[in-house]
Amino acid sequence: AAGVIQSPRHLIKEKRETATLKCYPIPRHDTVYWYQQGPGQDPQFLISFYEKMQSDKGSIPDRFSAQQFSDYHSELNMSSLELGDSALYFCASSIQGPWQSTDTQYFGPGTRLTVL
Amino acid sequence: AQSVTQLGSHVSVSEGALVLLRCNYSSSVPPYLFWYVQYPNQGLQLLLKYTSAATLVKGINGFEAEFKKSETSFHLTKPSAHMSDAAEYFCAVRISNTGKLIFGQGTTLQVKP
Repeated sequence: AAGVIQSPRHLIKEKRETATLKCYPIPRHDTVYWYQQGPGQDPQFLISFYEKMQSDKGSIPDRFSAQQFSDYHSELNMSSLELGDSALYFCASSIQGPWQSTDTQYFGPGTRLTVL
Repeated sequence: AQSVTQLGSHVSVSEGALVLLRCNYSSSVPPYLFWYVQYPNQGLQLLLKYTSAATLVKGINGFEAEFKKSETSFHLTKPSAHMSDAAEYFCAVRISNTGKLIFGQGTTLQVKP
């Protein structure tokens, strides 16, 4: 079965550089969630989109922005990178939408971002 | 506010022994609960979910979890541990009005031969 695709899988950047992470949801899934997992920590919600509109926003720095495109893929743009941004970034997709109680999120393999 | 707490950051069992990973939730509304597993350097894989249809939920790889409202718990069990079960396990609650997941701190399962 098709899964969530994230690219790149690994990314190394210098401080103050920018990075763009991409997420391709499972076909027919119209909802995308982004999470950040620091070393040894649990995933923390960043932002979500439903039908190309932002549906919720979590603890996402102002230096980060994201959007969902017409084909439902999503991109997380990160600017002025800091050492603390080094983490595993997960994308998850779902089909029922964020307001359906039985909605289930399926996660991608993640992008490991290292900021030097 | 909705939250989950996982008791025990590390659990070690012998191969063939019972696996019990604990998760307690806090929620003022009926919760929707999930268990995910994360193998080293991999993403989160859904093990099972509770969405109020049945209190005993069976998942993949022989895992199951029982929702106990009286104890506000959703513990994960497996009768017989296998070496391949060694991983990080996360309990999560779905925030009802937004869809986002709030995760517990995670439990690392070690399986000894």
